[in-house]
Amino acid sequence: AQSVTQPDIHITVSEGASLELRCNYSYGATPYLFWYVQSPGQGLQLLLKYFSGDTLVQGIKGFEAEFKRSQSSFNLRKPSVHWSDAAEYFCAVAPGGSNYKLTFGKGTLLTVNP
Amino acid sequence: NAGVTQTPKFRILKIGQSMTLQCAQDMNHNYMYWYRQDPGMGLKLIYYSVGAGITDKGEVPNGYNVSRSTTEDFPLRLELAAPSQTSVYFCASSWDNTDTQYFGPGTRLTVL
Repeated sequence: AQSVTQPDIHITVSEGASLELRCNYSYGATPYLFWYVQSPGQGLQLLLKYFSGDTLVQGIKGFEAEFKRSQSSFNLRKPSVHWSDAAEYFCAVAPGGSNYKLTFGKGTLLTVNP
Repeated sequence: NAGVTQTPKFRILKIGQSMTLQCAQDMNHNYMYWYRQDPGMGLKLIYYSVGAGITDKGEVPNGYNVSRSTTEDFPLRLELAAPSQTSVYFCASSWDNTDTQYFGPGTRLTVL
């Protein structure tokens, strides 16, 4: 069975600083990988996804993620954080070929200081 | 399009009561899902449906039932509510099994 680890429970950055959120997965083959964002009191919104091809994936709101097979990682990055990026971020994995059985990590809460 | 809608937004139940969480989508999606989110945890799949009349268990189905009589609606039934079912419940839908899942705003349920 697949699993996802997000090592950082809570990260605080200053507005304008760069951001990297870590995600490691466990799965026997190449999985489908996702990053979702959840603002307080809201449902989840997809930021980006990786199915195959180029390992650097661009998403919405200026986010990108890089799939590194050798490290079983799919880290999320943003070069300059805005106060509105404060939210909880979830990495998720699904068996390759299908995304309907998502397994989510526990999430990383991002706080942005002015 | 309203997307995925869920009712109610909040609910408090007493132990042993039952209720139905409603979920509807207007995107003509075939796949629908129910997740629960406990504090400090990621979402866990309760049940899913690949089309009207077809449902299957996810990771944590115990204590819940679902039905899918129409493409649009996917209600989640709690029988004999227990404190362990206190959680935030999210419904989601997607066109097929490779499409993005779109989430509703959630229902916060407390069982006392």
